[in-house]
Amino acid sequence: GEQVEQRPPHLSVREGDSAVITCTYTDPNSYYFFWYKQEPGASLQLLMKVFSSTEINEGQGFTVLLNKKDKRLSLNLTAAHPGDSAAYFCAVSHSGGSNAKLTFGKGTKLSVKS
Amino acid sequence: GGIITQTPKFLIGQEGQKLTLKCQQNFNHDTMYWYRQDSGKGLRLIYYSITENDLQKGDLSEGYDASREKKSSFSLTVTSAQKNEMAVFLCASSRQRNQDTQYFGPGTRLLVL
Repeated sequence: GEQVEQRPPHLSVREGDSAVITCTYTDPNSYYFFWYKQEPGASLQLLMKVFSSTEINEGQGFTVLLNKKDKRLSLNLTAAHPGDSAAYFCAVSHSGGSNAKLTFGKGTKLSVKS
Repeated sequence: GGIITQTPKFLIGQEGQKLTLKCQQNFNHDTMYWYRQDSGKGLRLIYYSITENDLQKGDLSEGYDASREKKSSFSLTVTSAQKNEMAVFLCASSRQRNQDTQYFGPGTRLLVL
């Protein structure tokens, strides 16, 4: 089955620095990709949904890059601020069937120091 | 918009006890999920259901039962709580298709004494 590896497990940056979180996946039929943000004590909130056809996806203060050749998905926070401190999870879905299962990475705990 | 509610918010149990967690959604979504979240291990799928009365095992179904009583509700039972167990159980829902976003509830925090 699909395997998703997320790195790093912990990341500490200073305010204004960039932060990069990367996920690699194994199933070449993976087609839909998701980034979720989980603030301390809260549940998961969708940050961005990415389709296989789009390599560069711009959000507010972040960019999601998809490299299908290398089977790699990355979340790049361009100028981190303390409000970005949270756990981030990538998730991967598949193109076949009606089954809406996701495979999640193990998460990255980001700490942004002011 | 919609909302997912989970009850209870906190659950303290005794070893060997049977514990039930409940989830309700008003998105009118077809599919509902139960995940377990442990520190450093991400989310692991316990059970999911693609429609009322349907039940599908996830990767972590052993030790759990689930029931999709109606489209809007999905309950999870820990059949025998393990001593010192501590985890967060997250309920989610989505439309049926694999490109559809899963929306998560606030979670139930379990502690077994």
